[in-house]
Amino acid sequence: DQQVKQNSPSLSVQEGRISILNCDYTNSMFDYFLWYKKYPAEGPTFLISISSIKDKNEDGRFTVFLNKSAKHLSLHIVPSQPGDSAVYFCAAKGNSGYALNFGKGTSLLVTP
Amino acid sequence: ETGVTQTPRHLVMGMTNKKSLKCEQHLGHNAMYWYKQSAKKPLELMFVYNFKEQTENNSVPSRFSPECPNSSHLFLHLHTLQPEDSALYLCASSHLGGGRGDTEAFFGQGTRLTVV
Repeated sequence: DQQVKQNSPSLSVQEGRISILNCDYTNSMFDYFLWYKKYPAEGPTFLISISSIKDKNEDGRFTVFLNKSAKHLSLHIVPSQPGDSAVYFCAAKGNSGYALNFGKGTSLLVTP
Repeated sequence: ETGVTQTPRHLVMGMTNKKSLKCEQHLGHNAMYWYKQSAKKPLELMFVYNFKEQTENNSVPSRFSPECPNSSHLFLHLHTLQPEDSALYLCASSHLGGGRGDTEAFFGQGTRLTVV
């Protein structure tokens, strides 16, 4: 049973606009959330994370929002750039075990 | 060389072959992982090694056999695979120190495996 869900397989955004990628989770024991970015023929690279004690974390153009009551998090990229075109994976982790639970990913295309 | 390195990048093998995937990390991490990414599926954790000890095995078939000789090296030995095992196999490492700030996993570029 998939515990981390990214319901939008793809998203297209114009350069300069905001990209919003969404992620939902079902396990209330998750307390640490991460976003990874993956280019073709490369492994995922860590982008930004958030702990469950926060509801927002910002790093440059990237902001992650966490809504614990809705079990929902989102990644905002503003302004979007063509180089942001990649697959974005949401991941979550609880305080027991070591594994990251990944969503299926959302393919973002930023058009000039 | 830094980061997580996987070899080979691509591998084609027959169902009766035996091959091994190699992963090496230069980050001083104490935990290493094998993940599998099949088409249209999320990354699936296969194995976890913490301080060279296998701590998780997510119901992976025995035709996949991991080996972790030290905290910097991880192998995945493959034998009698099936075509549905074709996927991208990703190695990752992280530092597990008990604190919350050390949980990001760093991934290698993956091995694209095709079983024919």
